[in-house]
Amino acid sequence: NAGVMQNPRHLVRRRGQEARLRCSPMKGHSHVYWYRQLPEEGLKFMVYLQKENIIDESGMPKERFSAEFPKEGPSILRIQQVVRGDSAAYFCASSPWDSRSGNTIYFGEGSWLTVV
Amino acid sequence: AQKITQTQPGMFVQEKEAVTLDCTYDTSDPSYGLFWYKQPSSGEMIFLIYQGSYDQQNATEGRYSLNFQKARKSANLVISASQLGDSAMYLCAMREPSYNQGGKLIFGQGTELSVKP
Repeated sequence: NAGVMQNPRHLVRRRGQEARLRCSPMKGHSHVYWYRQLPEEGLKFMVYLQKENIIDESGMPKERFSAEFPKEGPSILRIQQVVRGDSAAYFCASSPWDSRSGNTIYFGEGSWLTVV
Repeated sequence: AQKITQTQPGMFVQEKEAVTLDCTYDTSDPSYGLFWYKQPSSGEMIFLIYQGSYDQQNATEGRYSLNFQKARKSANLVISASQLGDSAMYLCAMREPSYNQGGKLIFGQGTELSVKP
């Protein structure tokens, strides 16, 4: 079984460009979480999505960041007009059904964004 | 609000010795889950161990065990017989079943463990 797939693994963008990070959840999972990890820090929750719905975006910066999880295809985290402070590792995790407990959350390998 | 605290930014341990990494949490919900992840320098998140709040016994997975003290709200990770490959960042996390938040994980700041030969 394929795990949570993230791509690209590494992305370099110039300031002002757009970054798109993709996440394909595990088969059968319809819930996706995005986390950001700045250097030397723990993971910070950004957004929780179900298919075609944003459930909790309390961790998303108010501007330039958006996320979607369409009915077909991967979840996309989009960062517009990137700045150097956006340089970080972005992790995606997926979960089956509306599982609020238990060991049912699985992480991808992360996408490393570098803004130059 | 939910909170996870790891008070040890860095730890050293001699190879083959045991080490305890501290984690305390704060929640008002009786149902929650606690996780430990290992993050080596390559960056991926490696799941180590899970403890549910209603689990009667402390979780164990090979050389990893979780010292769960519910009344003190602590969930310390114990690594026995440390190996050089254990050198990594260790992240403690809590999952709380908030009905409008879908069970997201809240992470601590992490502890960087270095194993000395």
